Amino acid sequence: EAGVAQSPRYKIIEKRQSVAFWCNPISGHATLYWYQQILGQGPKLLIQFQNNGVVDDSQLPKDRFSAERLKGVDSTLKIQPAKLEDSAVYLCASSSHGRVRPTNEKLFFGSGTQLSVL
Amino acid sequence: RKEVEQDPGPFNVPEGATVAFNCTYSNSASQSFFWYRQDCRKEPKLLMSVYSSGNEDGRFTAQLNRASQYISLLIRDSKLSDSATYLCVVSNTGTASKLTFGTGTRLQVTL
Repeated sequence: EAGVAQSPRYKIIEKRQSVAFWCNPISGHATLYWYQQILGQGPKLLIQFQNNGVVDDSQLPKDRFSAERLKGVDSTLKIQPAKLEDSAVYLCASSSHGRVRPTNEKLFFGSGTQLSVL
Repeated sequence: RKEVEQDPGPFNVPEGATVAFNCTYSNSASQSFFWYRQDCRKEPKLLMSVYSSGNEDGRFTAQLNRASQYISLLIRDSKLSDSATYLCVVSNTGTASKLTFGTGTRLQVTL
């Protein structure tokens, strides 16, 4: 079974530039997550999609971050303009659980995109 | 107060030792609990779920105390390959299930 695919693996940009990350979840997984993981911290949820709808974006800095999952499959996360504090690993994850929530959600993570903002 | 709190460590233990990690959570309505493992420069992977009755998987034992809002992970007979960061994860269900990660506890097993 193919895992969660993310690209690019690494990205270096200057502050105020724009950047986009791409994620293709495991086939059939309805729920897709974008997490931000700053060095030394745990992953922080940015946005959660259920199919092509947003179910939680409360921690997404909406003045500069945007995400979409137009067809309910792959997703893009964009930062515009980037700040120094956006330097982090951006992890995409997917899970198969839907609105009827089991008590055992298992997230499958991609390898992440390491972003360095200079 | 953070939603999920863990001692960041690092815990340095010799091979064969028993080590325990603790985690506390602030939302009493939390319903599901997990331990994830994250190797250096890798993505997190599910280690085990945590059930109210406690559960064991080989050398790993997870326990939940809902009254104290406390989760633990015990690793017996530590191996070098257990060296990693262990992330405590709590699921809060409302209109949507949301998983919140702790900062992780780093374990280094040495010869």
